[in-house]
Amino acid sequence: KAGVTQTPRYLIKTRGQQVTLSCSPISGHRSVSWYQQTPGQGLQFLFEYFSETQRNKGNFPGRFSGRQFSNSRSEMNVSTLELGDSALYLCASSQGGARETQYFGPGTRLLVL
Amino acid sequence: AQSVTQLGSHVSVSEGALVLLRCNYSSSVPPYLFWYVQYPNQGLQLLLKYTSAATLVKGINGFEAEFKKSETSFHLTKPSAHMSDAAEYFCAVRTLTGNQFYFGTGTSLTVIP
Repeated sequence: KAGVTQTPRYLIKTRGQQVTLSCSPISGHRSVSWYQQTPGQGLQFLFEYFSETQRNKGNFPGRFSGRQFSNSRSEMNVSTLELGDSALYLCASSQGGARETQYFGPGTRLLVL
Repeated sequence: AQSVTQLGSHVSVSEGALVLLRCNYSSSVPPYLFWYVQYPNQGLQLLLKYTSAATLVKGINGFEAEFKKSETSFHLTKPSAHMSDAAEYFCAVRTLTGNQFYFGTGTSLTVIP
């Protein structure tokens, strides 16, 4: 099976712009979670989607949003970018149960100038 | 809310020496526990997981971890460090009914030749 893929891998934006990141989960996986990783804050949970519904949400401002499509692919959007949004954004997919392993993609590295 | 504590943000060991990375969790009910490894500019890769079966869990690359309920710990060990083990290691927990992973802040492992 193909692994989790994320596009684009690298992105440079300027403050105030918006960005959309894409994640394609492993075939058959219905859960997609998003994380922000920064040197100072570590791995922080953004949100999880399961069968097109947001099932869980972390403590991020409303500028961060996401959605999941019927084929389980997910997108994450960040509006009005700030310098502090520069990070590695990781997507992870699983079958959705609590004991299931999350499989991570390689991430999208976002740099906000 | 769950919390995961990884003692030691940086650990250095000599090649061939024992690797011990510590992880403690806070939960009144034993959760599901995971160890992930992250190499530079890559996503996270599962090393091993505990899902209430055997308390000693063997993973990939010679790593293993022991779940100790009385100590609320899930420390990661490897008898003999290899240069290729140099990476960032993350402990994560997920409750029996929860849908969110809680990650520790990570431990950077350096292997000295």
